[in-house]
Amino acid sequence: AQSVTQLGSHVSVSEGALVLLRCNYSSSVPPYLFWYVQYPNQGLQLLLKYTTGATLVKGINGFEAEFKKSETSFHLTKPSAHMSDAAEYFCRGSARQLTFGSGTQLTVLP
Amino acid sequence: GAVVSQHPSWVICKSGTSVKIECRSLDFQATTMFWYRQFPKQSLMLMATSNEGSKATYEQGVEKDKFLINHASLTLSTLTVTSAHPEDSSFYICSARPFYAGELFFGEGSRLTVL
Repeated sequence: AQSVTQLGSHVSVSEGALVLLRCNYSSSVPPYLFWYVQYPNQGLQLLLKYTTGATLVKGINGFEAEFKKSETSFHLTKPSAHMSDAAEYFCRGSARQLTFGSGTQLTVLP
Repeated sequence: GAVVSQHPSWVICKSGTSVKIECRSLDFQATTMFWYRQFPKQSLMLMATSNEGSKATYEQGVEKDKFLINHASLTLSTLTVTSAHPEDSSFYICSARPFYAGELFFGEGSRLTVL
């Protein structure tokens, strides 16, 4: 069974600073991995996904994530945070398991 | 991208009444839809998997008689919260998966408040 762990329930960064949200997975088979963003009282929007192929995945809104098998990680990054990036972010495991991480609340400080 | 719509977005009801939430895939067919519950500041909890034309599969601990799920067509699944109580107040989200893709598309969510 696959599970994902998000490290840090809250992350605060200054506007313009690097955003790093951590997600680690455990799996005995190559995983599919996804990152979603959720704004207050809204559903989830897909930011990016990794299935196979290139390990560096680029998503919407300037976000990207790198699949690192040796570290069992799929961390989400953005070079320069905007105020509009403030939201809840969820990492998710393979489609079959529908396993969500616990979420990370990103706060962007002016 | 594929669009999933939920209705209503907000609903307030009295304790003891039943509430129906609809989840529609607008531009694709989904043989499988999923229902989640999300408490404030928490992650999504999968409640059940809705399969078109068959009974839903409920996760452990979810009362199937409390949360009735019907997937009558390839574009519509409904969740009915029966005899709602204040503890059922939550944010309910659905998702659907097109047969041609492995990724999920999420509805906007429905906020249920039971007085």
